[in-house]
Amino acid sequence: SAVISQKPSRDICQRGTSLTIQCQVDSQVTMMFWYRQQPGQSLTLIATANQGSEATYESGFVIDKFPISRPNLTFSTLTVSNMSPEDSSIYLCSVATGARYEQYFGPGTRLTVT
Amino acid sequence: DAKTTQPPSMDCAEGRAANLPCNHSTISGNEYVYWYRQIHSQGPQYIIHGLKNNETNEMASLIITEDRKSSTLILPHATLRDTAVYYCIVRVINSNSGYALNFGKGTSLLVTP
Repeated sequence: SAVISQKPSRDICQRGTSLTIQCQVDSQVTMMFWYRQQPGQSLTLIATANQGSEATYESGFVIDKFPISRPNLTFSTLTVSNMSPEDSSIYLCSVATGARYEQYFGPGTRLTVT
Repeated sequence: DAKTTQPPSMDCAEGRAANLPCNHSTISGNEYVYWYRQIHSQGPQYIIHGLKNNETNEMASLIITEDRKSSTLILPHATLRDTAVYYCIVRVINSNSGYALNFGKGTSLLVTP
């Protein structure tokens, strides 16, 4: 298993600003993912962020809006840029590890954009 | 990924077994069945996975039918803390198909006193 922490746990931001979310893992893992969960909805994958390669974004998500860094095997950041109220969501990072790549999730960052 | 169908909600009395069904009739031979749950305001939690044999761990049991077209997650003695949304995910996980998960709507389980 893996223990994952995220900072901040929540934030209220103004429209047009940017927020960087940090994800820290207690062990070295290659595969890391960022998800978004809009209010009342299920999780949607934003991007895969493997160390040593550029992040791979899912359809509907672009690097200019959600730049990701993965400087080492235990850390990643997701930036939500030029925010609008539609970006109000919970943002979660996760890692895949174990024999069948089970995923372990952080507690999430609850973002409200006003 | 194979499509999964789960009931949107279920109730269970505390102390009783909670049996959560998942239909995956289009599952292919190399797809695994994964179960996760999300307790309110927390990140999803891995529960269990299986290919074709029944599996058990400290959290739950996974029963997969012989034809693999459906499965049941069993929480043997449900507690109030098991109230959560339970997600059944069926997919191949490797370098070709990727390692991320596709979450559907899941089953909202309410455990009542």
